[in-house]
Amino acid sequence: QQQVKQSPQSLIVQKGGIPIINCAYENTAFDYFPWYQQFPGKGPALLIAIRPDVSEKKEGRFTISFNKSAKQFSLHIMDSQPGDSATYFCAGKNSGNTPLVFGKGTRLSVIA
Amino acid sequence: EAQVTQNPRYLITVTGKKLTVTCSQNMNHEYMSWYRQDPGLGLRQIYYSMNVEVTDKGDVPEGYKVSRKEKRNFPLILESPSPNQTSLYFCASSPGQGRSYGYTFGSGTRLTVV
Repeated sequence: QQQVKQSPQSLIVQKGGIPIINCAYENTAFDYFPWYQQFPGKGPALLIAIRPDVSEKKEGRFTISFNKSAKQFSLHIMDSQPGDSATYFCAGKNSGNTPLVFGKGTRLSVIA
Repeated sequence: EAQVTQNPRYLITVTGKKLTVTCSQNMNHEYMSWYRQDPGLGLRQIYYSMNVEVTDKGDVPEGYKVSRKEKRNFPLILESPSPNQTSLYFCASSPGQGRSYGYTFGSGTRLTVV
């Protein structure tokens, strides 16, 4: 199966909180796991990505945690700000000629 | 500026009237793809193309056609649109499908079929 299951569907946190979005995948051949951020009226944009040879990757306030044995990965947003309010998509793919498989998205609202 | 350009941004049409949504990228990317985005369903792939004259079905291809005659362009064609094709459409491109590069998305086309 090619699915990537994402939760929660929506999330509301206060400014400064640490929202966590979780994803689980089924295809053990996946070797690339990106996260995309989408603001209203815009297309998704690549935020951060990880490969399964590391357990964590950090870029600014955004961190991906990866658990290969559990086939799960998550996005953490440190010190969240109202400007982080967006829809976030996780995804996975393998190195072959197959498409990126997206989760269904999480709508995050950061309230002041 | 490196980008994926879709046109039009908004389109209202009637059932059965053929339409084309254009997509163009200026990054010399080999891979291009079309997605539709619906509430609660995320991004679902319609068609993709790994290079000129090479196209393949995604998860929801029914009612859509595509062509890839040039590397930069990948139009989406709805021969006989129906109301269930009302959606937000995105075109995306990537340097190469066989490698794990990020996708660049266009700004979207909001289509309403009445």
